[in-house]
Amino acid sequence: DTEVTQTPKHLVMGMTNKKSLKCEQHMGHRAMYWYKQKAKKPPELMFVYSYEKLSINESVPSRFSPECPNSSLLNLHLHALQPEDSALYLCASSTGQGTFSPLHFGNGTRLTVT
Amino acid sequence: AQKVTQAQTEISVVEKEDVTLDCVYETRDTTYYLFWYKQPPSGELVFLIRRNSFDEQNEISGRYSWNFQKSTSSFNFTITASQVVDSAVYFCALSGSNTGNQFYFGTGTSLTVIP
Repeated sequence: DTEVTQTPKHLVMGMTNKKSLKCEQHMGHRAMYWYKQKAKKPPELMFVYSYEKLSINESVPSRFSPECPNSSLLNLHLHALQPEDSALYLCASSTGQGTFSPLHFGNGTRLTVT
Repeated sequence: AQKVTQAQTEISVVEKEDVTLDCVYETRDTTYYLFWYKQPPSGELVFLIRRNSFDEQNEISGRYSWNFQKSTSSFNFTITASQVVDSAVYFCALSGSNTGNQFYFGTGTSLTVIP
């Protein structure tokens, strides 16, 4: 079983909806990540939080809004998404940014925007 | 620039055959790490191995083995006596010291093991 838990597993939303993806880890990791993965493609980095502060934002549209309430939790708030935003959204954690430690991924949320 | 190339897009093998997945990387960093991840149909990326740039010793873990060669900038992954459960997409990734330790993923190799 994965040690990074993501909810929900599946999400279907309209373009006017507001929804949130949630991620939780209890490994004591201090870096948390959001990745987006389209079918048959590698994961693309969206955001990195290091010690609960946003350290990397890979020019992601503002309709995606990350939040890190504490060192164990990571949210991704979604608003006014487009159909092309449909993808698998993966959360990951590591012991710390810049430590070369491996990323530990959750099972992901399969998002469909209608 | 950091780059990871997995030239094999899709591979199919019959169960019990050996299969090697190729990974070639480019980096100007002197300190870097290479990783392999497995992504089964369920979606989760599972960490398999990490190797640093100063350690070229090959590694074996059960049916899995990895061959790291700095001279050819390659980090190949071999599965011996493949099983149906090995069917997945495998990603090679690179993380270097001068690029904020971001992960650069290859495009992945989809492996299908036919029973």
